[in-house]
Amino acid sequence: KNEVEQSPQNLTAQEGEFITINCSYSVGISALHWLQQHPGGGIVSLFMLSSGKKKHGRLIATINIQEKHSSLHITASHPRDSAVYICAVGGADGLTFGKGTHLIIQP
Amino acid sequence: DAGVIQSPRHEVTEMGQEVTLRCKPISGHNSLFWYRQTMMRGLELLIYFNNNVPIDDSGMPEDRFSAKMPNASFSTLKIQPSEPRDSAVYFCASSFNGHSYEQYFGPGTRLTVT
Repeated sequence: KNEVEQSPQNLTAQEGEFITINCSYSVGISALHWLQQHPGGGIVSLFMLSSGKKKHGRLIATINIQEKHSSLHITASHPRDSAVYICAVGGADGLTFGKGTHLIIQP
Repeated sequence: DAGVIQSPRHEVTEMGQEVTLRCKPISGHNSLFWYRQTMMRGLELLIYFNNNVPIDDSGMPEDRFSAKMPNASFSTLKIQPSEPRDSAVYFCASSFNGHSYEQYFGPGTRLTVT
């Protein structure tokens, strides 16, 4: 079973700062997901990666398959980015989740 | 599309009662997943179906939990009898496995067992 480690567990930053959240896993995977969970509890898929880099607006996700590591970056952070960000690995057989990173962006 | 639909959104029940959670996946998706989220353990996969067939139920905690998918548009997760430690948020997600592994999550059911 894959072990998924996220860091940091908690992060508080000021509006406008560049944010990086890291995810490491122990076993080779078919895909890595970054999910966002807002205080209301809903879960939204941000990215699915199997290699390289993806960008969507101010969000960038990268993955290094050889090092079994992924990063989620947020540029020009905004208070509305405050949420829990969850890394998950797997594929068609379901997902193994990290514990999540609780991000707070202060105005 | 309405997205993944779950019902009820909130359920409060007494220990020993039967609880049934319901999920309607996105039309056209052929994979369905049930997850549980608690403060202590985070998100965990309970069971997943592919083309209505259970593929992996190794995450189901014990025999008190059962899940069915009688057709492509409906699934249930049943707990009988319920216990206080089953209190959690239960999420259903679906994906169109043939094209992508991206999963779409329902809003979740918050279960409280007293």
